Order: sequence, then C-alpha cells, then structure tokens
Amino acid sequence: AQTVTQSQPEMSVQEAETVTLSCTYDTSESDYYLFWYKQPPSRQMILVIRQEAYKQQNATENRFSVNFQKAAKSFSLKISDSQLGDAAMYFCAYYNYGQNFVFGPGTRLSVLP
Amino acid sequence: EAEVAQSPRYKITEKSQAVAFWCDPISGHATLYWYRQILGQGPELLVQFQDESVVDDSQLPKDRFSAERLKGVDSTLKIQPAELGDSAMYLCASSLAGAGAEAFFGQGTRLTVV
Repeated sequence: AQTVTQSQPEMSVQEAETVTLSCTYDTSESDYYLFWYKQPPSRQMILVIRQEAYKQQNATENRFSVNFQKAAKSFSLKISDSQLGDAAMYFCAYYNYGQNFVFGPGTRLSVLP
Repeated sequence: EAEVAQSPRYKITEKSQAVAFWCDPISGHATLYWYRQILGQGPELLVQFQDESVVDDSQLPKDRFSAERLKGVDSTLKIQPAELGDSAMYLCASSLAGAGAEAFFGQGTRLTVV
C-alpha cells in the first residue's frame, strides 16, 4: 500500500520569506500524481499544486513550486514571498488512477508578521 | 463557482445514537469520496464511489458505518451506533473520473460523540 510521510509537524516562516515543506512517499508504481492541498482553519481543503509523475518538469503556480525527485520519492513544496493567508495545514497527497487519494499527516504552517 | 455541499456542518450526538451526513458533489463528478479526519491528522478514506457503485470500502467499519449513493449523485454516510471514538471531521470530496483529476472537498461535518 502507498504511504505518504511528512516529517515536519509544524513549520514557521517570516512574512515575505521562503519556506519549504517536505514530503516523501512510497510506491511501486511508475505513473501517478502528487498533490499539495491547503486546509485553512475551519475552511475546506483546496488544491495548491499538482505534479504528474511522468513529467520531469517541476510544477509551479505563482508563489508555489515543487521539487519533485522521482527516484528519491520526494515531493517538497516551496512557498515564496510568504503571506499571512498562507497559514494553514498543508497535506501532501498521492494518487494513482483508479485508486484514491492517500494523504500524509500534514504540516502546520505559521506565518509570522 | 461549483462547490461540494455537506450538511450538517456540526453534529453532537450521544453514543449509541444514529447519525447521518449528507454530501452533494459538484455536478458531473462521477467519483465521490468520504474521508475521516481526526484532529491534527490527515484524511483517511472511508469509502469511494464511482457513480453509484462502491469502488473501495475496505477501511469502512461495516458493523456500524454504511454509505450509499443511490442515483450516482448525492451520498449519505451513516453511523449506527455512534461511539466516542467516532468523533472527527467527516469530509466529502468529488472529482471527475479521469486520471489525475483534482479532488474538490466540502467543508466537512464535525462530529462530536458524547
């Protein structure tokens, strides 16, 4: 079974600075998808960024980018120019077609003014 | 903007009582998921539907939990009888039936069993 690990239960970053959240996963598949979801306090989970495993190019979405290392099974999220609104729980998720989303335990990100 | 609707938002129930949660996915989304999220942890799958069919319910405690999606649209998750350990957030999500399709989440139902 696939597993997703996030080794940083909590992280903090100064406003306008850059922070990187770590994620590793375990799978025997070669084709799959990886996601970062954000869950603000008392609000629904929303997609931050998605990476397709067969694409070597790292995905980017405005201030959010990933460092996808397929051989190492690593998928980190970099948030640049951090804003107060970035404070949330961040979940790394693995998805394989026909299966379901497997989530990591999450990293709580605090943004300090 | 289309959203996944869930109700109720909050539910307090006594142990041994029955409780039900409702989810209305985004129109056209064939795949529907029910996840349970314990405070401070990641969501864990309870059941996955493809249209009206159950695709995966291997982690659903079938002695007390049931889920249905009769017409392949909205879905109901039921717990009977509720136990103290069932206190959690119950999340519904839906997605298109394609590879790598994003899952859209509802706001969840926070269940407290007393």
